Amino acid sequence: QQQVKQSPQSLIVQKGGISIINCAYENTAFDYFPWYQQFPGKGPALLIAIRPDVSEKKEGRFTISFNKSAKQFSLHIMDSQPGDSATYFCAAIPYNTDKLIFGTGTRLQVFP
Amino acid sequence: NAGVTQTPKFRVLKTGQSMTLLCAQDMNHEYMYWYRQDPGMGLRLIHYSVGEGTTAKGEVPDGYNVSRLKKQNFLLGLESAAPSQTSVYFCASSRDAFYTGELFFGEGSRLTVL
Repeated sequence: QQQVKQSPQSLIVQKGGISIINCAYENTAFDYFPWYQQFPGKGPALLIAIRPDVSEKKEGRFTISFNKSAKQFSLHIMDSQPGDSATYFCAAIPYNTDKLIFGTGTRLQVFP
Repeated sequence: NAGVTQTPKFRVLKTGQSMTLLCAQDMNHEYMYWYRQDPGMGLRLIHYSVGEGTTAKGEVPDGYNVSRLKKQNFLLGLESAAPSQTSVYFCASSRDAFYTGELFFGEGSRLTVL
């Protein structure tokens, strides 16, 4: 079964610091790599996404890096803010499927 | 602008009881999904639908049934609830999973099975 492995499970960062969350997938049959952000009591919401033909994508303070040879992709949050405190999920869509497979999630806490 | 609405938001069941979770979306999306969220396990796909009248199994379908009689609604049923089904259930919809990957989630339904 295709899987997406995410680390760390939890992360504590000071305000202004860089938050880094990593994900790895087990085979090459993935087509699209979104990241979702979830605040307590809410459903996840799309934060940023990347396709495997691009090595990096930046949107404001959020950057996705993709390493196809290592089968890894990561989320970097620059200048982390208390408002970024949430659970982050990486995900992937295997080729020719309608399913989004999620990682296990990273709980980020940013302290002032 | 409602988006995806789930009912009920909270429910407590006894083992063996049955119930149905209702998901409604007003975005005219073709795709709808039911996920469950458990600590340390992330979001796992239970069942999904690629259009009205269709359903398919996801990663963890056992113990659940679904129906998509109308495009805007996706129902998740538990015929005989078990404590292992205690979880937070999320419904989501998307215009097209292939091209955008963007799912729109409801706020979740917290189910406790005693």
